[in-house]
Amino acid sequence: GDSVTQMEGPVTLSEEAFLTINCTYTATGYPSLFWYVQYPGEGLQLLLKATKADDKGSNKGFEATYRKETTSFHLEKGSVQVSDSAVYFCALSDPSLRASKIIFGSGTRLSIRP
Amino acid sequence: ETGVTQTPRHLVMGMTNKKSLKCEQHLGHNAMYWYKQSAKKPLELMFVYNFKEQTENNSVPSRFSPECPNSSHLFLHLHTLQPEDSALYLCASREEGGADSPLHFGNGTRLTVT
Repeated sequence: GDSVTQMEGPVTLSEEAFLTINCTYTATGYPSLFWYVQYPGEGLQLLLKATKADDKGSNKGFEATYRKETTSFHLEKGSVQVSDSAVYFCALSDPSLRASKIIFGSGTRLSIRP
Repeated sequence: ETGVTQTPRHLVMGMTNKKSLKCEQHLGHNAMYWYKQSAKKPLELMFVYNFKEQTENNSVPSRFSPECPNSSHLFLHLHTLQPEDSALYLCASREEGGADSPLHFGNGTRLTVT
């Protein structure tokens, strides 16, 4: 079945460091891919998305490229800030599945030191 | 108000109490979801409603009873809960019909069962 695997956390970085959070997926169809972010005390919010191979989603300095050949959607940011501290979730929506099915990864907690 | 609103934000209840969680979405979406988020566990899908009809019940115990009176409102009725039901309960909405449509989450209700 469909699944999403993302790197275990927590990830701790210093401010202005380069960030990569790995995400790989398995899917029977051609899924859309998402990154969500959850700040402390809040629900999840959409960070970025990509709907087909080679698409790049970007928002707030974060980027992720839909790589069909490696079934990956890694999240990157060139220079992180303390305000980026949060939990990040990779997710997929597969049109071959029942429309309600959205598969989430287990989340990666990111902490940024000043 | 815009987005997805959940009330209450915090709830403490005994195992013999009956309470309800409320969710309201102002986005005109046709599908609404309940998720459970527990510490150190992946996000768990509980229920999905599409055009007020329940389309998914993810083997949730009967002590959780959802209600969707219209496409803007969703309730989760709780009775005779167990301490392991303590978690963050997240409501989300989405426009069904396309795999690239993201979920929009509320800020959740933090439930503690004593």
